[in-house]
Amino acid sequence: DIQMTQSPSSLSASVGDRVTITCRASQSISTNLNWYQQKPGKAPKLLIYAASSLQSGVPSRFSGSGSGTDFTLTISSLQPEDFATYYCQQSYSTPWTFGQGTKVEIK
Amino acid sequence: QVQLVESGGDVVQPGRSLRLSCTASGFTFSSYAMHWVRQAPGKGLEWVAVISYDGSNKYYADSVKGRFTISRDNSKNTLYLQMNSLGAEDTTVYYCARDGKMATISADFDYWGQGTLVTVSS
Repeated sequence: DIQMTQSPSSLSASVGDRVTITCRASQSISTNLNWYQQKPGKAPKLLIYAASSLQSGVPSRFSGSGSGTDFTLTISSLQPEDFATYYCQQSYSTPWTFGQGTKVEIK
Repeated sequence: QVQLVESGGDVVQPGRSLRLSCTASGFTFSSYAMHWVRQAPGKGLEWVAVISYDGSNKYYADSVKGRFTISRDNSKNTLYLQMNSLGAEDTTVYYCARDGKMATISADFDYWGQGTLVTVSS
């Protein structure tokens, strides 16, 4: 199975900050990498697919980059509604696996 | 708009069975692969199973292979997950999710239901 490792596991940031979350795959997955946002008690929401494509309706302050084994999710200017947990997920091969999550908290 | 509504979650004794349903609306259900993804309380996400748009292909996580069966009824716009031999490790919220691409399995999950809780306890 492909292991996905996110860092950091949690972070504290202020509104307006630039936030970067990293995801590393245990083997090359090309650009088969997706990012999700999950708020407490809610289902995950797809933000970025294929490493860098913005899902319809997602604000442009979210962006993704990377290929191979190393990927990043960047929030250019953190907004109050962005405080949540973020997960990466590889869609390269079954079983499709998720990172452990990164919780973004208010500083 | 796309809607996915899960049902069937319950409290069940170890070793028993349960069937979950996911009713879809707002899109052509028969054109999309569908997935089940689960999440233990306070934990991360685990992909469980996928079924192709026409039901011809099914894949499972090793943790449920041989115990769970995914199926669909395109005439009823409904996805199912038959869960047998349930154990404490299956106590999670189960989400159904739509695959992001028509007529294939791309494994990006673009729409999710609200989830249904399965609790396995004696």
